[in-house]
Amino acid sequence: EAGVAQSPRYKIIEKRQSVAFWCNPISGHATLYWYQQILGQGPKLLIQFQNNGVVDDSQLPKDRFSAERLKGVDSTLKIQPAKLEDSAVYLCASSFNRGPPYEQYFGPGTRLTVT
Amino acid sequence: SQKIEQNSEALNIQEGKTATLTCNYTNYSPAYLQWYRQDPGRGPVFLLLIRENEKEKRKERLKVTFDTTLKQSLFHITASQPADSATYLCALGEGADSWGKFQFGAGTQVVVTP
Repeated sequence: EAGVAQSPRYKIIEKRQSVAFWCNPISGHATLYWYQQILGQGPKLLIQFQNNGVVDDSQLPKDRFSAERLKGVDSTLKIQPAKLEDSAVYLCASSFNRGPPYEQYFGPGTRLTVT
Repeated sequence: SQKIEQNSEALNIQEGKTATLTCNYTNYSPAYLQWYRQDPGRGPVFLLLIRENEKEKRKERLKVTFDTTLKQSLFHITASQPADSATYLCALGEGADSWGKFQFGAGTQVVVTP
């Protein structure tokens, strides 16, 4: 079974630029998550989708971050404009369970450096 | 505010010994708790799930306990091996009928030396 795919793996941008990350979850997984992991910290949930609907985006900085999941499969996370404090690893995860608890399968992440 | 605490200091342990990690939480009513392993440069990997009405779970050399009175989970790696060296994260999910709302701790690094 193929795992969660993410691209790009690395991205370096200047502050105030925009960036987009892509995620392809495991086939058949209805739930998709985006996390931000700052060095030395645990992953912080940004947004959770159930199929193509948003379930939880309470911690998403909506003034600069946006995410969509078209057709309930692939997802993109965008940052516009980026700030220095956005430097982190952005992890995508998916789960098969349609209700809790959610055993999550994570992708390798995208390491973003904002200069 | 809700808080999950894991020991920030790395746990250095000799091969063959048992590693014990703690996960404490406050202002939280978790319905379940999970443990993940994370290697450098990679995403977390799910290890074990324990529900609020369970006291203990085992999987091979891993054992998890969950004490909702103490608001604590213990994670044990028995007969540790150098390959067990990684960061271990606990994560709590609140509400059996919620949509997850997972929260991760910061993780504890384990270093197993031969």
